[in-house]
Amino acid sequence: QQQVKQSPQSLIVQKGGISIINCAYENTAFDYFPWYQQFPGKGPALLIAIRPDVSEKKEGRFTISFNKSAKQFSLHIMDSQPGDSATYFCAASIGTGNQFYFGTGTSLTVIP
Amino acid sequence: DSGVTQTPKHLITATGQRVTLRCSPRSGDLSVYWYQQSLDQGLQFLIQYYNGEERAKGNILERFSAQQFPDLHSELNLSSLELGDSALYFCASSVGQSVNYGYTFGSGTRLTVV
Repeated sequence: QQQVKQSPQSLIVQKGGISIINCAYENTAFDYFPWYQQFPGKGPALLIAIRPDVSEKKEGRFTISFNKSAKQFSLHIMDSQPGDSATYFCAASIGTGNQFYFGTGTSLTVIP
Repeated sequence: DSGVTQTPKHLITATGQRVTLRCSPRSGDLSVYWYQQSLDQGLQFLIQYYNGEERAKGNILERFSAQQFPDLHSELNLSSLELGDSALYFCASSVGQSVNYGYTFGSGTRLTVV
């Protein structure tokens, strides 16, 4: 079964708007939560990541909000730009584990 | 360019056939991971090799196998192909054995089974 559930499947946002993508997980052993950005024809690339000891992490226009008690985390893209149009994947992993558990992805389109 | 090289970029083959996908990791990386990306399943972990040895297995079918060679490149072999095997296959590499070291993905091989 899907260990990390992601929504929405697709998102259309006006330029300058805020894009919000949500993920939820069940396994409380997860301790690393990255977001990956994937452009067509390319592999996923790490965008930003968070560990559960903090509730928020910000890098430029990208912010991860983390709610440990609800087992949810989200990606906020402020001032969304057409160049942000891509597929975004949330993921989770266990410390010394070997794999990431990925969400099913969100296709973001930012309209000029 | 991520530094992880995957070949070929595209592959079209018939059902029942066998194909080999190749991955060269970033210089200095010892781990290679294979993932399958299908439309409805997202990215699914298949298998990991570290310095030539299998380290972890995920949802890899028995028809699929992989290996890592002394020069650290890896090959994913897919046999008795079915229509449902059509997907993007990604390779990723990292310097260590676990996800703590982060991953770098290649650009993928798009496999179409007809």
